[in-house]
Amino acid sequence: QSALTQPASVSGSPGQSITISCTGTSSDVGGYNYVSWYQQHPGKAPKLMIYEVSNRPSGVPDRFSGSKSGNTASLTISGLQAEDEADYYCSSYTSSSTLVVFGGGTKLTVL
Amino acid sequence: QVQLQESGPGLVKPSQTLSLTCTVSGGSISSGGYYWSWIRQHPGKGLEWIGYIYYSGSTYYNPSLKSRVTISVDTSKNQFSLKLSSVTAADTAVYYCARGGDDYGNWFDPWGQGTLVTVSS
Repeated sequence: QSALTQPASVSGSPGQSITISCTGTSSDVGGYNYVSWYQQHPGKAPKLMIYEVSNRPSGVPDRFSGSKSGNTASLTISGLQAEDEADYYCSSYTSSSTLVVFGGGTKLTVL
Repeated sequence: QVQLQESGPGLVKPSQTLSLTCTVSGGSISSGGYYWSWIRQHPGKGLEWIGYIYYSGSTYYNPSLKSRVTISVDTSKNQFSLKLSSVTAADTAVYYCARGGDDYGNWFDPWGQGTLVTVSS
């Protein structure tokens, strides 16, 4: 069981918007602005999409945005495109001895 | 542009030690305050943080693996390494190396391509 809770799957049609949630505790998501999001296509390495809750690395489309409210962080993808179909993982720093926790991952299907 | 590449045996026998190396190119391990990290992914499963080494040499490990893990750095070769002892089939996974952000690895970027390690006799 992962430390951060994500929905197993979400889906949307091209052009629509979807949101993936990532729920933790006050020891991780809620306590620090150190939430990051990763996109992983089958057989590929994860790719950083969002860091420190809402910052986009250079080269990541502005269709990807991040936010946080309390112990829940969210990744929103607007204007869905076929190439957005992938697994998405959230991660957070934690004050526990584990230091880094990941969510279980969410499979995004573009219908 | 920093790039990372894992290398090491793809097959390890039970009870032996898994050894992997990550070679960093396009930047120096010792030049900045990054956390050089190992992360694994069991087949069809999510990501699990194994540990990281700060550029100064300080190490931090996942408590669930701490008794079996050693991460070290060779700045002369611009490499860092992972050793996981007493492996079992449960250690079969894709192992990734990644650069972690300068605040206790608050993000991971870039990642290596990953290497599948199978534990089997």
